[in-house]
Amino acid sequence: SQTIHQWPATLVQPVGSPLSLECTVEGTSNPNLYWYRQAAGRGLQLLFYSVGIGQISSEVPQNLSASRPQDRQFILSSKKLLLSDSGFYLCAWSLLAVRQFFGPGTRLTVL
Amino acid sequence: DQQVKQNSPSLSVQEGRISILNCDYTNSMFDYFLWYKKYPAEGPTFLISISSIKDKNEDGRFTVFLNKSAKHLSLHIVPSQPGDSAVYFCAASARYGGSQGNLIFGKGTKLSVKP
Repeated sequence: SQTIHQWPATLVQPVGSPLSLECTVEGTSNPNLYWYRQAAGRGLQLLFYSVGIGQISSEVPQNLSASRPQDRQFILSSKKLLLSDSGFYLCAWSLLAVRQFFGPGTRLTVL
Repeated sequence: DQQVKQNSPSLSVQEGRISILNCDYTNSMFDYFLWYKKYPAEGPTFLISISSIKDKNEDGRFTVFLNKSAKHLSLHIVPSQPGDSAVYFCAASARYGGSQGNLIFGKGTKLSVKP
């Protein structure tokens, strides 16, 4: 069966510090991968998606970037965090179907 | 511009009664709709979906109804249980609309089922 992992589960970072969140998927090959953010009182906002290694599409221009160095690894990064980057970050995967499967999420607080 | 709208941020229902969560959309290219359930500090889990060629899909206590002319869908939970208390997200996709089939989510409705 397929499993998706995210780490860390929680993170507190100062403004201006770098960020690296990692997501890995097990039990499937060539998944589509997604990064979402859920800010307080808001829905799920798609940040990036990837259909293959090295292929990244950005949905919202922002302070963040994404990379996919391996087929089942998706990384969300920032060089300098802003206060507005605080939120709950979710990684998801899907195959050919539209249905997406989400990881447990990372709670990021920028102080 | 919100393409998927869940106008009720919260809903409170008595255990055993019906919960009805509503969702409206604006993009006529959407042809697949999903409901996700989310507990605090966890990722959303898939609940039920419906294709635009249907107007109803049922899975146990959960039924989704789609009214294409009104661009409206609803999720019915009968009977409601305390364990159903969570945030419910409506999502839509235009599978053949050139958006890679990506999901557009509403802001969610927090359901509280009281014993």
